[in-house]
Parts: sequence; structure tokens; C-alpha cells
Amino acid sequence: RKEVEQDPGPFNVPEGATVAFNCTYSNSASQSFFWYRQDCRKEPKLLMSVYSSGNEDGRFTAQLNRASQYISLLIRDSKLSDSATYLCVVNRNQKTSYDKVIFGPGTSLSVIP
Amino acid sequence: NAGVTQTPKFQVLKTGQSMTLQCAQDMNHNSMYWYRQDPGMGLRLIYYSASEGTTDKGEVPNGYNVSRLNKREFSLRLESAAPSQTSVYFCASSDAGPTQYFGPGTRLTVL
Repeated sequence: RKEVEQDPGPFNVPEGATVAFNCTYSNSASQSFFWYRQDCRKEPKLLMSVYSSGNEDGRFTAQLNRASQYISLLIRDSKLSDSATYLCVVNRNQKTSYDKVIFGPGTSLSVIP
Repeated sequence: NAGVTQTPKFQVLKTGQSMTLQCAQDMNHNSMYWYRQDPGMGLRLIYYSASEGTTDKGEVPNGYNVSRLNKREFSLRLESAAPSQTSVYFCASSDAGPTQYFGPGTRLTVL
């Protein structure tokens, strides 16, 4: 079983829709969590961190469920510019970041006019 | 600030050829990384360098070598390229925390 798993999609949604992605992780010692965004043929970029209490950044909401070992990303009022691949990222250890950052395979989102 | 830069952007090699991928960052970060990205596999860590003068193997180091030339530069070398090394290669850097900043990638095809 992969340490970080995501539904690869693709998710095809109309503009204005709400869409949610889930990500599961297997290592219960994981400490911190992130969502990265990767546009087609571009590099990954940090979208937002995921906190235990949940956090919101405009139309984006991230949540963490430690008991069930999953994180989620909710996008409201989808825009065409949201079309991208969303990578779930898990860091096993807060003190040393080197080889403990694990990237999920990504979920592809296409927002359709 | 250019951030993280990589050269070349594209490369085609024949099996057995060698090449070096270059990476540089201007953010004064201590840590640097090399990943490869293949469809359905996600980003896999090849090598990392926690600080200048140190390098360590990641998840998939076989067939690669690295050099941390100085704090800014971290190069990845393929001594004898194989078709299985066809991939997109990303260099990244980070400061004290886990957030990583990526270069634009190198698309490598090995025939």
C-alpha cells in the first residue's frame, strides 16, 4: 500500500460547482500536511497547509482527520483557472524535513465552461 | 529573485549516454532535492542534500549521482542513461520547514 493515496480522477466539474478531494495516509506518525497544486507541464507549488482545526483560504478549505488518517480539500465556486492536478503532501516529522516529505500521486481536476 | 532554476529544460539521450542536470537556487536555502515524476507514481525522491557538503539517498537513487557544489547549486548526473530513466526531473529547495520550492523541471527522454 502506498504511504499517501489519492483518487487520480479526473474530476470534470462545471464552473461554479463545489468539488472535494480526499487523501489518505498510512503513517500515523505523520506530523504536517499540505496541498500543492501542479499545472499541466509545470512545477508543483504550495497551495495551502492543513491544520488540525481546519483552515480556509478564500474558496479553498482544507481539513484534517487524524483519527481516520485522511485530509481533504474543498473548492467552492470552481473557476476555469482551478484546472490542475492537486497533490496531497505528508510530512512525517516536523523537525527534519529531508526525506520525510511524501507526495501523493495527485488528483486531476478539469473545470468545464 | 529567480527562485529555483534548472537546465536544460528538455533533453533526449541515447541509451548509455551520460549527462548532468543542473539546479541552482537564490533563496539561501540549506536543503535541496532531486525528484523524478512519472505518470501515476507521484514525485519520488532521488537524492537530497540537507546542507552544503552533505548528500543522502532518497527512495530511488540507483543510476544517479549528485554533487552539492556549494550552497546554491545541486547537480544530478546520469552516468549511463537507460530508457527507464525517461521522466520529468524536478529540483527543489527548502529552508527550515517542510515547504519546498520547485524548479520548472527537465523533461528527459532516453531512447
